[in-house]
Amino acid sequence: GEDVEQSLFLSVREGDSSVINCTYTDSSSTYLYWYKQEPGAGLQLLTYIFSNMDMKQDQRLTVLLNKKDKHLSLRIADTQTGDSAIYFCAVLMDTGRRALTFGSGTRLQVQP
Amino acid sequence: SAVISQKPSRDICQRGTSLTIQCQVDSQVTMMFWYRQQPGQSLTLIATANQGSEATYESGFVIDKFPISRPNLTFSTLTVSNMSPEDSSIYLCSAGQGGNIQYFGAGTRLSVL
Repeated sequence: GEDVEQSLFLSVREGDSSVINCTYTDSSSTYLYWYKQEPGAGLQLLTYIFSNMDMKQDQRLTVLLNKKDKHLSLRIADTQTGDSAIYFCAVLMDTGRRALTFGSGTRLQVQP
Repeated sequence: SAVISQKPSRDICQRGTSLTIQCQVDSQVTMMFWYRQQPGQSLTLIATANQGSEATYESGFVIDKFPISRPNLTFSTLTVSNMSPEDSSIYLCSAGQGGNIQYFGAGTRLSVL
């Protein structure tokens, strides 16, 4: 089955850029997502990218997809303390199953 | 987008009892899913809730332990039966139109004593 991996922790200073990385194993992944989970909250969909795209930008967020290397990244520009959260990468495979496979999550800590 | 409401938001239960979690979506959706997030872990899919038919369970999850209802296109319930402390987790409902984009509820934080 699909395996999705992320580094566990990232610490940056306020105002810097953050880059959170994700690798996946199944080349039939069609949609790839980034979700944000703040303490005590559910998952908030931040952005997503279709597998035929290389890049998607949405305000401070930039998603890069390298299909050859099966690598997805999320760049947050001008990181703020309110960006401190756990970020989950998730992928949807091209099957009838329609459920997401999640990475382990990356905890982003933003230092003032 | 879809707005998803889950009830209860948290509960503390005694072992051996059951808890039913409700998930309400503000629009009709084709797909609804139930996930479990154990402490400090990622999300694991429990089952897909199908309207008009039985839920489809993932490996390691069974209907007797996690019965699911899906009476219409906006509502689903998950019951955690005969609970033990190992069932202490966050249970999350998600929904999506067409299955490509999934939105999540705030989750139900369950502690079993």
